[in-house]
Amino acid sequence: EVQLVEAGGGLVQPGRSLRLSCTTSGFTFADYAVTWFRQAPGKGLEWVGIIKIQGFGGTTDYAASVKGRFFISRDDSRGIAYLQMNRLKTEDTAVYYCSRDCTNGVCYTSSFDFWGQGTRVTVSS
Amino acid sequence: DIQMTQSPSSLSASAGDRVTITCQAGQDIRTYLNWFQQKPGKAPKLLISDASILQVGVPSRFSGRGSGTDFSLTISSLQPEDIGTYYCQQFDALPFTFGQGTRLDIK
Repeated sequence: EVQLVEAGGGLVQPGRSLRLSCTTSGFTFADYAVTWFRQAPGKGLEWVGIIKIQGFGGTTDYAASVKGRFFISRDDSRGIAYLQMNRLKTEDTAVYYCSRDCTNGVCYTSSFDFWGQGTRVTVSS
Repeated sequence: DIQMTQSPSSLSASAGDRVTITCQAGQDIRTYLNWFQQKPGKAPKLLISDASILQVGVPSRFSGRGSGTDFSLTISSLQPEDIGTYYCQQFDALPFTFGQGTRLDIK
């Protein structure tokens, strides 16, 4: 059974850091890119960033709103992706989701077919 | 960034009605378009990929069509369990952008 589970959310003060994890199982993690999305309270979905597979250089790309503050990494041996969030702002308050992604992977399923349940991040003083 | 314009923003229909949501891309995205359904407090669920490919387990009353810049999601006979918010998403080019969502409820 394919599973993705986010963890690490919580309440954090503006300017501080937080690291989210996305622990996966049930599929060959190394074959998939991982994309992070977020959803602010009462708002729509926003793409945050992607980490491609090692075969595509393992490179990352980020939304303009988080570029230079957020960093995505992956540990293929453990099937985990991370979202390191630095210099957090109140506008980063959201539920954060990870999803498996075939757009920059070597897989043959639909992209974004499985998501985690989300982890809530609240940035407030 | 590719802008995705979804309409309507909200929709109320009766059970059994045929419902259509449209999504327009700001540039040609070929068929790199997904449709998601989201219920309150839950993660989005992929309904249709690549503009028209129904995902396993999704009822056949859902269908998608379109290519280029104009797309639509149709529910042929609305059921009470279809209430929620629907989003289109392009994945032709980074950043992968979403429409603003269509909130669907039952009259």
